[in-house]
Amino acid sequence: NAGVTQTPKFQVLKTGQSMTLQCAQDMNHEYMSWYRQDPGMGLRLIHYSVGAGITDQGEVPNGYNVSRSTTEDFPLRLLSAAPSQTSVYFCASSYSITEKLFFGSGTQLSVL
Amino acid sequence: AQSVSQHNHHVILSEAASLELGCNYSYGGTVNLFWYVQYPGQHLQLLLKYFSGDPLVKGIKGFEAEFIKSKFSFNLRKPSVQWSDTAEYFCAVNTDSGYALNFGKGTSLLVTP
Repeated sequence: NAGVTQTPKFQVLKTGQSMTLQCAQDMNHEYMSWYRQDPGMGLRLIHYSVGAGITDQGEVPNGYNVSRSTTEDFPLRLLSAAPSQTSVYFCASSYSITEKLFFGSGTQLSVL
Repeated sequence: AQSVSQHNHHVILSEAASLELGCNYSYGGTVNLFWYVQYPGQHLQLLLKYFSGDPLVKGIKGFEAEFIKSKFSFNLRKPSVQWSDTAEYFCAVNTDSGYALNFGKGTSLLVTP
């Protein structure tokens, strides 16, 4: 089992560029989520999904889109990158919201 | 909207000292409570969780937490910390109003030899 796989590990963007952070899990988890981690702010929920075709917004969804076409994949799209989106992004999955989250290794994103 | 507060942002302890990290949440309904730990350079791992039943829950590595409903609290404790407990600790809450799992801002623990 690979667990939760995030790509890329590092990315530098220019303001206004778009990109997609990939997240895949091979544990047949229904619940998947994206967080950003910033110093002094902890983890903030961006978007989450409770199953294929179902997504919802978290605490800080502006500037991000998600889709869940399959159980395995949950990509996060930055529509027009801004310096405020410089952060470390974590994807996580679990069987359900009441079970422990399995985290990916993170993507460090810098927007110049 | 529910929120999660961790009051201790930075804690420094000597080895063998006792640890208590505070976590409070603001929600009047049913909650599921978690403590996660992030060791330097690693991603988050679950320490323990509470859903129902005995309000004193035990987790891995000697950690425990007590759910006090009247105080909306879920404090993390360890009787004697080790240098290897140096990490960042996050409290997280899910409520019966939805499927979001929200984290507190974290507490950075440094254990000195």
